[in-house]
Amino acid sequence: DIVMTQTPLSSPVTLGQPASISCRSSQSLVHSDGNTYLSWLQQRPGQPPRLLIYKISNRFSGVPDRFSGSGAGTDFTLKISRVEAEDVGVYYCMQGTHFPPITFGQGTRLEIK
Amino acid sequence: EGQLLESGGDLVQPGGSLRLSCAYSGFNFNNDGMNWVRQAPGKGLEWVSAISGDGNYRIYTDSVKGRFTISRDNSKNTLYLQMNSLRVEDTAIYYCGRFSSIYYSYDYWGQGTLVTVSS
Repeated sequence: DIVMTQTPLSSPVTLGQPASISCRSSQSLVHSDGNTYLSWLQQRPGQPPRLLIYKISNRFSGVPDRFSGSGAGTDFTLKISRVEAEDVGVYYCMQGTHFPPITFGQGTRLEIK
Repeated sequence: EGQLLESGGDLVQPGGSLRLSCAYSGFNFNNDGMNWVRQAPGKGLEWVSAISGDGNYRIYTDSVKGRFTISRDNSKNTLYLQMNSLRVEDTAIYYCGRFSSIYYSYDYWGQGTLVTVSS
């Protein structure tokens, strides 16, 4: 199974400042079709997860443009350009390339300083 | 707008059984793969099981193989998870999610249903 490792596990950020979360996979996430199926999910307190970014860098419908994704192969990054209060929660990277199984990172808790 | 709504979570003793349901509405899920993902209290996300749109392909994480059965009734727009021989470590919120073949990720999630296995 593909292991997804996120860093940091906790990220205190000042409102209006940027935040960055890294995700590393134990194998390349490039699919045989040429796509890389790495996505980012956000889980606000008490809520189910929701899709933020798919295929490394594509924002899902309704996701603010302060969220961006980048990376390739085994190393990926989620960036928030200016953190807002509503961004508090846990962020997960997820791979769909080597399915089954789907695997998730451990989660990174974003909190406001 | 599509919606997913889980039900069936409860407190059950170790060795017991439960059946979870996930009703989908808003658009046609019949061609889409559906999954169950769980989250133990205070922990991260864990993929549990998946089923193809026609129900003919089903897969499970190793820890639930032989105990859980995923199924769907497309005429009722409902996904199921039959859970037998429940263990304390199965305690979690269980989410159903639509696995999009476009995004290769979950674009729709239910609110979750809590399963507690305890004596």
